[in-house]
Amino acid sequence: GNSVTQMEGPVTLSEEAFLTINCTYTATGYPSLFWYVQYPGEGLQLLLKATKADDKGSNKGFEATYRKETTSFHLEKGSVQVSDSAVYFCALRLSGTYKYIFGTGTRLKVLA
Amino acid sequence: DAGVIQSPRHEVTEMGQEVTLRCKPISGHNSLFWYRQTMMRGLELLIYFNNNVPIDDSGMPEDRFSAKMPNASFSTLKIQPSEPRDSAVYFCASSFVDRGSPLHFGNGTRLTVT
Repeated sequence: GNSVTQMEGPVTLSEEAFLTINCTYTATGYPSLFWYVQYPGEGLQLLLKATKADDKGSNKGFEATYRKETTSFHLEKGSVQVSDSAVYFCALRLSGTYKYIFGTGTRLKVLA
Repeated sequence: DAGVIQSPRHEVTEMGQEVTLRCKPISGHNSLFWYRQTMMRGLELLIYFNNNVPIDDSGMPEDRFSAKMPNASFSTLKIQPSEPRDSAVYFCASSFVDRGSPLHFGNGTRLTVT
């Protein structure tokens, strides 16, 4: 079946460290891929997206590349800040449908 | 753009009481989703509307849950009677699915049933 698998958290980093949060997926067809971020007490916000293979989504220093050969969409940032502390969700939307599948979320904590 | 607006932000009620959650989607979006978030089960889709019509309600837990969308700018999720296991954060999200636009979430309603 269709699914999204994220690395277990929490991830704790020092400020200015490099961040990678792994995400792999299983899906029929050609899904669109997303990273959402959720800050405490708020809803999920779109961070970046990619709609086809080899696309790179980027926003606020975060990047992720749609890798069809490895069915992955890993989130990276070169230098994290305390303000990046949040829960990050990888998600896919099945092609031609409204159906979204979310990962379980990865909590990131950045220490000053 | 005011974003998706949900009310109330917090709701505390006693078991057996009726609870109504409200949502105003982003103007121009034709799709509306209700999700429930818990630590145990993560994000669960409860119901999906397209052009105000319920398309998929397979995620609605039981008959105690009902949702309506009387017009393009308003939706409600009602729980009657409420139970402690309904305690969760309920999110509304809207989108223009036909154009492949992403989901836009509200800030959620935190429901506590005692």
